[in-house]
Amino acid sequence: QVQLVQSGAELRKPGASVQVSCKTSGYSFTNYAVHWLRQAPGHRPEWMGWINVGNGNTKYSQKLQGRLSFSSDTSATTVHMEVKSLRFEDTALYYCARGGSGSNFEKPFDIWGPGTLITVSS
Amino acid sequence: QSVLTQPASVSGAPGQRVTISCTGTTSNIGASYDVHWYQQLPGAAPKLLIFTNNNRPSGVPDRFSASKSGTSASLAITGLQAEDEAEYYCQSYDNSLSDYVFGTGTKVTVL
Repeated sequence: QVQLVQSGAELRKPGASVQVSCKTSGYSFTNYAVHWLRQAPGHRPEWMGWINVGNGNTKYSQKLQGRLSFSSDTSATTVHMEVKSLRFEDTALYYCARGGSGSNFEKPFDIWGPGTLITVSS
Repeated sequence: QSVLTQPASVSGAPGQRVTISCTGTTSNIGASYDVHWYQQLPGAAPKLLIFTNNNRPSGVPDRFSASKSGTSASLAITGLQAEDEAEYYCQSYDNSLSDYVFGTGTKVTVL
């Protein structure tokens, strides 16, 4: 079945960087984009960006542009996300989710990973 | 400010029908972008419940249905069951923000 499995929780100090990985399985990796979203406690999900793993194109939210970086490893069907210059307000559950991009950008986020807790604390 | 607005909470007795509204603007729902709905059980990741306005993924009961009109959308749950207690979010795309946007979320309580 289609699965997205994420790396484990991380604790970082303000100003540091963190990387989260998302291992996919059960579908044709290059036929979908992988989106990243985050959800602070008690808040709605917030879209962060996507990577088209077929051609490597990326799109980042305006809010996080400049601090985000996505990459993909086609042979490992895995996507990586890096957030730089972490702030206290970046503390949240970070999710990867399968979706669309380009002409299929309206596709829903139909499969979600379990989430990775990133805590930013001094 | 909230781009997609939902009521904070709705409740109903088992077997009843409840509806959740999602009010947007001419930059998102009113611009004819698809609306999707997600169910989030406590401690779990969001799960796709309804996609592209009123389509259910495999495994989602037909007790769940949705509609869209103008700048708003709504989700209906008929025959409410205890397992439906969860947070529900609408989601669309906003062309003024160039972002995917989520509703404020609605907590459904089964009395």
